[in-house]
Amino acid sequence: GDSVTQMEGPVTLSEEAFLTINCTYTATGYPSLFWYVQYPGEGLQLLLKATKADDKGSNKGFEATYRKETTSFHLEKGSVQVSDSAVYFCALSNTGNQFYFGTGTSLTVIP
Amino acid sequence: DSGVTQTPKHLITATGQRVTLRCSPRSGDLSVYWYQQSLDQGLQFLIQYYNGEERAKGNILERFSAQQFPDLHSELNLSSLELGDSALYFCASSVEVFTGELFFGEGSRLTVL
Repeated sequence: GDSVTQMEGPVTLSEEAFLTINCTYTATGYPSLFWYVQYPGEGLQLLLKATKADDKGSNKGFEATYRKETTSFHLEKGSVQVSDSAVYFCALSNTGNQFYFGTGTSLTVIP
Repeated sequence: DSGVTQTPKHLITATGQRVTLRCSPRSGDLSVYWYQQSLDQGLQFLIQYYNGEERAKGNILERFSAQQFPDLHSELNLSSLELGDSALYFCASSVEVFTGELFFGEGSRLTVL
């Protein structure tokens, strides 16, 4: 079945460091891919998405490119801030609006 | 504010008891999803409803049940509660036409003592 595997955490970075959180997927057909973010004490919210191969999703300085050849959708940010500290979830959606989430990667950014 | 409302925000109860969690989706959203988030198992999909009908079922225990009412709000019923049911339960909604986005509520934190 469809699934998402993402990098285990926790990840701790200094402010202004480069961030990469790896995500790979297994799916039939042509899924849409997402990154969701969960700030402390809050629900998940959409960070960015890509709906077809080679699409790049971007938001708030974060980027991820839908790579069908490597079945990946890695999240990147060039310079993280303390306010980026959160848990990040990779997810995919296939036909029928079925959503599959990764286990989440906790990011802590220290000043 | 996602527009998805969940009540109660916090709930403490004892083993063996039954609780009901309620979710009001965003205005116009026909699909409702329930997820369980625990420390050791991440975000687990429980069940999905679309316009009152069950559409998909995930890792939902037989002790748990859900329904979506004609006004589109949904309830998740958890019975014969066990310590391991302590978790954050999220509701999410999406529009009828697939847009690729789930809108999550802030969750209901259940503590079973």
